[in-house]
Amino acid sequence: QVTLRESGPALVKPTQSLTLTCVFSGFSLGTSGMTVTWIRQPPGKALEWLAIVDWEDDKYYNPTLKTRLTISKDTSKNQVVLTMTNMDPVDTATYYCARGFYAAVGGRFVRWFDPWGQGTLVTVSS
Amino acid sequence: SYELTQPPSMSVSPGQTASISCSGDKLGDAYAYWYQQKSGQSPVLVIYEDNKRPSGIPERFIGSNSGNTATLTISGTQAMDEADYYCQAGDNIGVVFGGGTKLTVL
Repeated sequence: QVTLRESGPALVKPTQSLTLTCVFSGFSLGTSGMTVTWIRQPPGKALEWLAIVDWEDDKYYNPTLKTRLTISKDTSKNQVVLTMTNMDPVDTATYYCARGFYAAVGGRFVRWFDPWGQGTLVTVSS
Repeated sequence: SYELTQPPSMSVSPGQTASISCSGDKLGDAYAYWYQQKSGQSPVLVIYEDNKRPSGIPERFIGSNSGNTATLTISGTQAMDEADYYCQAGDNIGVVFGGGTKLTVL
């Protein structure tokens, strides 16, 4: 059974940095094709992809947030950490991590996310 | 940046067919994915690689993708299908989600 759980502060102040940890079980981020991604969802709004780290430790970021994001993995601990700098009230959201799979197949790219963690709500306020 | 466009909302009567569209430039050249998010819950993958269903997803969920549009069709819609639905696509360096469609079953 694959499970993921996010943890981190529920409240951060504007300009501070946010560090979130995703602890997972049931798969290895050392296995070919495996990825872990972070996605956020402001209250009442749509999903927004943030970052991905893959089994080869390659990292990809949402271009609009790239300068503020850092993703890292610890394969031995089954953990992925996301750091976001210079937090603003508009960053208030539920942050999810999810297992992903990636493959390149005949010019098309397989990128699905399943399952997702329960999410952690982060509020940015002074 | 690449964008996926969905209708914000739609409604369907129980037992009828709901078709949710997702449009993007040359989306048919990529794989499309669909997620269901019920109120207060995390998203769940219901369609992957255009038209495949993960284990446990009912056969009434059907996906297609061609040209610039991917479509999620729910045949014989049930009250339990009321949720937000998001399409997603990805390439070798990133991922994009659609804006979501709120499906009301009434």
